Amino acid sequence: TQLLEQSPQFLSIQEGENLTVYCNSSSVFSSLQWYRQEPGEGPVLLVTVVTGGEVKKLKRLTFQFGDARKDSSLHITAAQPGDTGLYLCAGARTSTGTASKLTFGTGTRLQVTL
Amino acid sequence: EAGVAQSPRYKIIEKRQSVAFWCNPISGHATLYWYQQILGQGPKLLIQFQNNGVVDDSQLPKDRFSAERLKGVDSTLKIQPAKLEDSAVYLCASRHPQGAAEAFFGQGTRLTVV
Repeated sequence: TQLLEQSPQFLSIQEGENLTVYCNSSSVFSSLQWYRQEPGEGPVLLVTVVTGGEVKKLKRLTFQFGDARKDSSLHITAAQPGDTGLYLCAGARTSTGTASKLTFGTGTRLQVTL
Repeated sequence: EAGVAQSPRYKIIEKRQSVAFWCNPISGHATLYWYQQILGQGPKLLIQFQNNGVVDDSQLPKDRFSAERLKGVDSTLKIQPAKLEDSAVYLCASRHPQGAAEAFFGQGTRLTVV
């Protein structure tokens, strides 16, 4: 059972357009991470958000953690072909005395064309 | 700093055969994960280790999958016997146990079962 649902599943846009990817869950997470994965490679961390309502910016990417720490969004402004890839959210739950479990979302495949 | 090493990169086997994957995590990372990723989907956690102990293996198909991390460093994941639906990329990741720490991934092993 995938606890984190991402939408849309697939997005094809032209260079210069804006887009938003959503990551939703019914569970509360202690932190949430966004990763980007290119073909033939493992996921690479983009950002970690910890506080409910937190907003972080990474150049043209804006990440927001929901107030209740159950959902998150990734907004890309003026998308470029280099943004093409599989975007994954991952929620972490910390248990006392053990390492946190890291659960990945269903993934959003983004394709940016010229 | 060396990254997470996985081998082999690719493996093709016939159904009912056995296969093993190897992972060498980043030095000092006590937490190690094995994920299964079907093409275009998010990674699904198979097993999580903290040093040489299993933290979570609730989604590991234990009738055919096994994993060990005997000395708390390297880990192996085995499938015996393999089924067609096991075709996927198997990703290994390591992480500091601290809750919001980044997970570092290897390049994965692409398994094709024919």
